[in-house]
Amino acid sequence: QKEVEQNSGPLSVPEGAIASLNCTYSDRVSQSFFWYRQYSGKSPELIMSIYSNGDKEDGRFTAQLNKASQYVSLLIRDSQPSDSATYLCAVKEGGTGNQFYFGTGTSLTVIP
Amino acid sequence: EPEVTQTPSHQVTQMGQEVILRCVPISNHLYFYWYRQILGQKVEFLVSFYNNEISEKSEIFDDQFSVERPDGSNFTLKIRSTKLEDSAMYFCASSPGTGFGEPQHFGDGTRLSIL
Repeated sequence: QKEVEQNSGPLSVPEGAIASLNCTYSDRVSQSFFWYRQYSGKSPELIMSIYSNGDKEDGRFTAQLNKASQYVSLLIRDSQPSDSATYLCAVKEGGTGNQFYFGTGTSLTVIP
Repeated sequence: EPEVTQTPSHQVTQMGQEVILRCVPISNHLYFYWYRQILGQKVEFLVSFYNNEISEKSEIFDDQFSVERPDGSNFTLKIRSTKLEDSAMYFCASSPGTGFGEPQHFGDGTRLSIL
């Protein structure tokens, strides 16, 4: 059973601070990793993807991947109240499989 | 920006009835997926579809479920003889390919309530 683990939170940060979200995965041959944002009752919305070790930056968001440690993280700089949502980590398995495995998500609240 | 659209947004059905959930994937995408999310739980993969056939399915996707692409735009999920535990949010997703870092784009979902 492929597992994707996230701290469920809630994680609270003040406006303007850095929010750090973490995710670990069990399948060593996983290929690609995705962060989605999900507002309550809404669909997952893609924030960014990463598949190479290291950091990938997109605006206020930075994804970090460490395949040796089977760990992927998302940093949100200058957090805004509108960033308050549940952040889902998704992992695409290696091989020919296309399905995404999702974590349970981390609830983030940015306090004005 | 192109979107995945799903209808209806909310479906209420009596237990034992059949439901069909509809999706229009993004037009140039070739891979289609159904996921479900039971309230308060993680998003779970049901099935993927490519070239007019199922390419992958999970243990959840048993004989009660079927998928179809009846025409060039729609992608449907049929649930026969619905059970109370089928109540969930059902998300359709699509992707142009399956390469490294290729994301899946999700629709707004259909909330299915079984009474």
